[in-house]
Amino acid sequence: NAGVTQTPKFQVLKTGQSMTLQCAQDMNHEYMSWYRQDPGMGLRLIHYSVGAGITDQGEVPNGYNVSRSTTEDFPLRLLSAAPSQTSVYFCASSSMGFRGTDTQYFGPGTRLTVL
Amino acid sequence: AQSVAQPEDQVNVAEGNPLTVKCTYSVSGNPYLFWYVQYPNRGLQFLLKYITGDNLVKGSYGFEAEFNKSQTSFHLKKPSALVSDSALYFCAVGGSQGNLIFGKGTKLSVKP
Repeated sequence: NAGVTQTPKFQVLKTGQSMTLQCAQDMNHEYMSWYRQDPGMGLRLIHYSVGAGITDQGEVPNGYNVSRSTTEDFPLRLLSAAPSQTSVYFCASSSMGFRGTDTQYFGPGTRLTVL
Repeated sequence: AQSVAQPEDQVNVAEGNPLTVKCTYSVSGNPYLFWYVQYPNRGLQFLLKYITGDNLVKGSYGFEAEFNKSQTSFHLKKPSALVSDSALYFCAVGGSQGNLIFGKGTKLSVKP
């Protein structure tokens, strides 16, 4: 049982480039989400999904796209990278009990630098 | 709007002494409160949560937290700190989108 996995661990992009951060979970969780972590700001929600085919925006969605074609995978796409997207990105998953009560399980993170 | 505050950027404790990491919340309705720990260059690990019931919640690695409704607080405690407890600690509240709303984090440093 690998839990939540993320690839790559590190990535350096140039401004304007696009890329996809991968996230997968093997716990059959319906709920998956992406956060970014910036110094002194905690973690902020980018996008989330309550099941295959269903996604929605979080607090800071601009510049990011997501899709959920399977229960297991929830990739995050940067359309045109900007230096402001330099951050550490975490994927998380949880089962769908009453919203706001479920324990979320986090991946190890992707450290992204945009030059 | 729901929010969480961690008033201390850093807490310094000597090994063997008790530790407290503070958290206060602002929530309309019932609060669902969590503590997570992040070790350097790692993801977040779940420590404990309060949903309902007993105000004293016990979690992983000997940590516990006390829910205080009148003071809107959920402080994390441990009776005897270890050097290995040194990490970044996050308090969070369950959000309406099924997400977690995090505080800014408190760096705990335990010295031998």
